[in-house]
Amino acid sequence: SLELTQSPSVSVSPGQTATISCSGDRLGEKYTSWYQQKPGQSPILVLYQTYRRPSGIPERFSGSISGNTATLTISVTQPIDEADYYCQAWGTNAVIFGGGTRVYVL
Amino acid sequence: QVQLVESGGDLVKPGGSLRLSCAASGFSFRDYYMTWFRQAPGKGLEWVSYISSSGSATYYGDSVRGRFTISRDNTKNSMYLQMNSLRVDDTAVYFCARGYGSGSRGYFDSWGQGSLVTVSS
Repeated sequence: SLELTQSPSVSVSPGQTATISCSGDRLGEKYTSWYQQKPGQSPILVLYQTYRRPSGIPERFSGSISGNTATLTISVTQPIDEADYYCQAWGTNAVIFGGGTRVYVL
Repeated sequence: QVQLVESGGDLVKPGGSLRLSCAASGFSFRDYYMTWFRQAPGKGLEWVSYISSSGSATYYGDSVRGRFTISRDNTKNSMYLQMNSLRVDDTAVYFCARGYGSGSRGYFDSWGQGSLVTVSS
């Protein structure tokens, strides 16, 4: 079954670019969504269908895909972007999440 | 606006049962598939189950299949999760979420605040 792999953490300075990757078998043939979760809060959808941004999500959040790796890029990262980020795709009648990436804005 | 409110979380002994509810408002509930997720303390997100908009189709994660049952009542704008034979490793915050988009295009655009289930003797 599909497994999604994310690096455990990423550190970035304010104003710099954070790159969060998610890899999985044949992920390039699927759609990837991304969720942001801050401590003690519910997840928030920040990207869907690999590239699309829900209304209200800042333009500094963008998505891309290359081969079997999907990427969430946060441009001009702000301190409020410090959070856990999870990628998600569909297996066969199953929702699959990556293990999550903690983004530290230092 | 879309609102999802979970309830029913509690402390229960191993082997016990619990029923979670998710009350929806602000959208046409009957038009959307709905999902339960969970998050164990300090861990990542895990999908538990989802149910089609009509309730005719249900799917479960491997860790809960045969023990948990998802259902919905479109007349009450509510979804439920009946949890039986609970284990210590079922301890988690349980979230309900609205599904949007069909098949592999689907994603979860609204989430509840979560309900804590603790399984301990």
